[in-house]
Amino acid sequence: KQEVTQIPAALSVPEGENLVLNCSFTDSAIYNLQWFRQDPGKGLTSLLLIQSSQREQTSGRLNASLDKSSGRSTLYIAASQPGDSATYLCAPRSGANNLFFGTGTRLTVIP
Amino acid sequence: DTAVSQTPKYLVTQMGNDKSIKCEQNLGHDTMYWYKQDSKKFLKIMFSYNNKELIINETVPNRFSPKSPDKAHLNLHINSLELGDSAVYFCASSQGAGFSYEQYFGPGTRLTVT
Repeated sequence: KQEVTQIPAALSVPEGENLVLNCSFTDSAIYNLQWFRQDPGKGLTSLLLIQSSQREQTSGRLNASLDKSSGRSTLYIAASQPGDSATYLCAPRSGANNLFFGTGTRLTVIP
Repeated sequence: DTAVSQTPKYLVTQMGNDKSIKCEQNLGHDTMYWYKQDSKKFLKIMFSYNNKELIINETVPNRFSPKSPDKAHLNLHINSLELGDSAVYFCASSQGAGFSYEQYFGPGTRLTVT
């Protein structure tokens, strides 16, 4: 069964810094991987969907990479802003159309 | 213009009661899901419906019964609520059941069982 680990569990950075969030998963037979952000008390917002055949996907200041064979994905956030403060979740999709979620990285961007 | 909506947002009830959570999506999607996020913030899929048919049913107590009256709605009914059912429940939808489709999530329903 798929297990997803996100490191670090929490991260605090000053505004303007570039940062990388890491995600690793045990079952590399995935179809794609989705990155989400979750704001406190709110739902999940989809940030990027990267297909298993892709190595990278970009949206604005966000760049997600995928190394399927090694079971890793990273989310790169450029020029971080206080509004980026949230919990970031990665979710590889494998098996019967299941998204398996990690426990997330809680990001705080300090103004 | 909420894409995926859930009602209620908060639900506080006593053990043993029966309650329902409603979900609606206006995206024209064929597939809908229910996820449970526990106190440790871990999200786990419970059910998935495609065109009103159940396609995923994870190991969930049979006190939980999803119902899809049409493609735009997937409701979750819970019988004989227990303390351990306290969690945030998220509804989601995707254009199809295929693996390439992105999932869109609702705001969640925080259920507290006392």
